[in-house]
Amino acid sequence: KAGVTQTPRYLIKTRGQQVTLSCSPISGHRSVSWYQQTPGQGLQFLFEYFSETQRNKGNFPGRFSGRQFSNSRSEMNVSTLELGDSALYLCASSLSGSRSYEQYFGPGTRLTVT
Amino acid sequence: DQQVKQNSPSLSVQEGRISILNCDYTNSMFDYFLWYKKYPAEGPTFLISISSIKDKNEDGRFTVFLNKSAKHLSLHIVPSQPGDSAVYFCAASAQDFGNEKLTFGTGTRLTIIP
Repeated sequence: KAGVTQTPRYLIKTRGQQVTLSCSPISGHRSVSWYQQTPGQGLQFLFEYFSETQRNKGNFPGRFSGRQFSNSRSEMNVSTLELGDSALYLCASSLSGSRSYEQYFGPGTRLTVT
Repeated sequence: DQQVKQNSPSLSVQEGRISILNCDYTNSMFDYFLWYKKYPAEGPTFLISISSIKDKNEDGRFTVFLNKSAKHLSLHIVPSQPGDSAVYFCAASAQDFGNEKLTFGTGTRLTIIP
C-alpha cells in the first residue's frame, strides 16, 4: 500500500506571496491532518479534514487554510507569507473514526520564506 | 502553553547501553500517549503507545512507562543501536470523539555512539 505523499518536497517563496501544498493520503484513509514543524516548537497542529469538512483546528491565524477533496486529497494554503512561516509542513492520514494514534505521516514539504 | 514537554533537546548514548527519553505533560485530560521517531527528510513514524489505564507497555527493545501522578512518561530503548539515532517526539491525546488531535512535544535528538 502506498504511503502518504506530499508535493512539492521543497519550496522557496518570498514574503507576501502565497503558497499551496498538497497531500495525498493512504488509500482508504478519510482523515488528513496538517502540522507545522519548526526548531524548538516541535510539531504544531494546524487542522484536520474529514470527508471534505474541517473537523478540528489548531491555533494558527486565518492566513492558514485548507481543504479536502472528494478523493480525500488535501491542500493547505498559506497567504501573505511571513518569514516565520518557514518550516517543515507535515500531513498525516488516518482511517475514519480512528483515534489520533493511527496517523501515518508523509515526508513533509520544506517551505523557506525569504 | 506547551502542554507536552521534552526538556532534553539532545541525548548521546553509547551503543549497547540503555537510552531513556523523558516527557512531561500538564493536561490531566490526556489519556493516550505515543512516541514517534523521525529521521531527517522523513515524516515521523509511530513507535509505541500507552493508554492511561496502564503504567507500562513493551515492544521488543522499546518500553514506555507512564506515571500518571507525576504526569510523566519515559521511553526506554535497550540495547541502543546506531539505527536508533533520530529525533523522538512524545505526543498525547485526550478522548474527544471526532475532535481528537495529537499534541506533540518539541522532540529529543538521540545520538547513539558506536
